[in-house]
Amino acid sequence: QKEVEQNSGPLSVPEGAIASLNCTYSDRGSQSFFWYRQYSGKSPELIMSIYSNGDKEDGRFTAQLNKASQYVSLLIRDSQPSDSATYLCAVNFGNEKLTFGTGTRLTIIP
Amino acid sequence: DGGITQSPKYLFRKEGQNVTLSCEQNLNHDAMYWYRQDPGQGLRLIYYSQIVNDFQKGDIAEGYSVSREKKESFPLTVTSAQKNPTAFYLCASSSGTRTDTQYFGPGTRLTVL
Repeated sequence: QKEVEQNSGPLSVPEGAIASLNCTYSDRGSQSFFWYRQYSGKSPELIMSIYSNGDKEDGRFTAQLNKASQYVSLLIRDSQPSDSATYLCAVNFGNEKLTFGTGTRLTIIP
Repeated sequence: DGGITQSPKYLFRKEGQNVTLSCEQNLNHDAMYWYRQDPGQGLRLIYYSQIVNDFQKGDIAEGYSVSREKKESFPLTVTSAQKNPTAFYLCASSSGTRTDTQYFGPGTRLTVL
């Protein structure tokens, strides 16, 4: 059974601080990893994709991948109230589908 | 504008009725997907289609049916056999390669009365 696990939260972070979201997955052979942001009542939107070990930065967002330890994380620097949302981790286990975690609810406290 | 559209945004159904949710995309994507999301839950795959006239069951296909007669359209029918259909339904598409990204439509919220 291919699984993606996330801490459901809620995770509360002061405005301006760094928010750190973590995700673990069950298959060491997985190739592609995605972070989606979902506001309440809306559909998921892509934040980051990462395919290789290491860090990938895009603006205030950094995705980190460690395939040996089977985890992927998302860092949000200078957190803003507009970052308050549920963050979904998704993994392509190489079978034409994405498997999603249950999401981590992030609240940025002004 | 390129994108994925879903209609209707809200749908109410009486028990025992079948209902069809629309999903259309003009991104020229080969693959399309249907997910279901329940409150506080992640996304669960219902059906997916890699090419026209072909589709596969996902993890929770019972009580649902789909068709893929055109590349840009992938309608989902929620049948009366689905025991608990009240949920948020999301359609997505991708170009079908292993490392590609899925893009989501705005979703349809179905409520069974």
